[in-house]
Amino acid sequence: GAVVSQHPSWVICKSGTSVKIECRSLDFQATTMFWYRQFPKQSLMLMATSNEGSKATYEQGVEKDKFLINHASLTLSTLTVTSAHPEDSSFYICSAESKGKDQPQHFGDGTRLSIL
Amino acid sequence: GQQLNQSPQSMFIQEGEDVSMNCTSSSIFNTWLWYKQDPGEGPVLLIALYKAGELTSNGRLTAQFGITRKDSFLNISASIPSDVGIYFCAGYYGGSQGNLIFGKGTKLSVKP
Repeated sequence: GAVVSQHPSWVICKSGTSVKIECRSLDFQATTMFWYRQFPKQSLMLMATSNEGSKATYEQGVEKDKFLINHASLTLSTLTVTSAHPEDSSFYICSAESKGKDQPQHFGDGTRLSIL
Repeated sequence: GQQLNQSPQSMFIQEGEDVSMNCTSSSIFNTWLWYKQDPGEGPVLLIALYKAGELTSNGRLTAQFGITRKDSFLNISASIPSDVGIYFCAGYYGGSQGNLIFGKGTKLSVKP
């Protein structure tokens, strides 16, 4: 089945640090990748939609200068949390979607980000 | 905006019991998906439903896309301890598959 790899799985860093998270589709070409944030005991909230070769579309309330997204190829998207602060601590999950009708999103295993 | 109401929020059952959870929407959805999420991991797709009335099984799991296209249910038969986790319904509405809306999840606990 479709496999999405996310790296790193866990990051702890100091306030003010920028953190990059990678999302790779391992066995299919992902025309679109999505970035979600999930707070404890809550559902997934879409942050942005990333299409290969174009600018990401951000959901309302998500700062594009804070959460930089790059989708340089059909198998890789990156999310960079710039100048991270404790309130950015969360579980970040990516998903990928391939071309074709009725292709559901497949999710990575998430990245636990803790900002001290 | 679009909302999905998922119930129940949590369930505590005995091993071997059957489980049922559902999602309802205020609007018509084109696709219903059911995911399971274990702690510290991403959601894993269990079942995808694409047509109103569709009933699909995946092992002990069965899900249906409601006729009105505004609801879906997931049943788990003969639950086992490894069924523990959070189950999310999700749906696409409109013309863009990017508009995936998640329910708030059902936390399932199974007592051996």
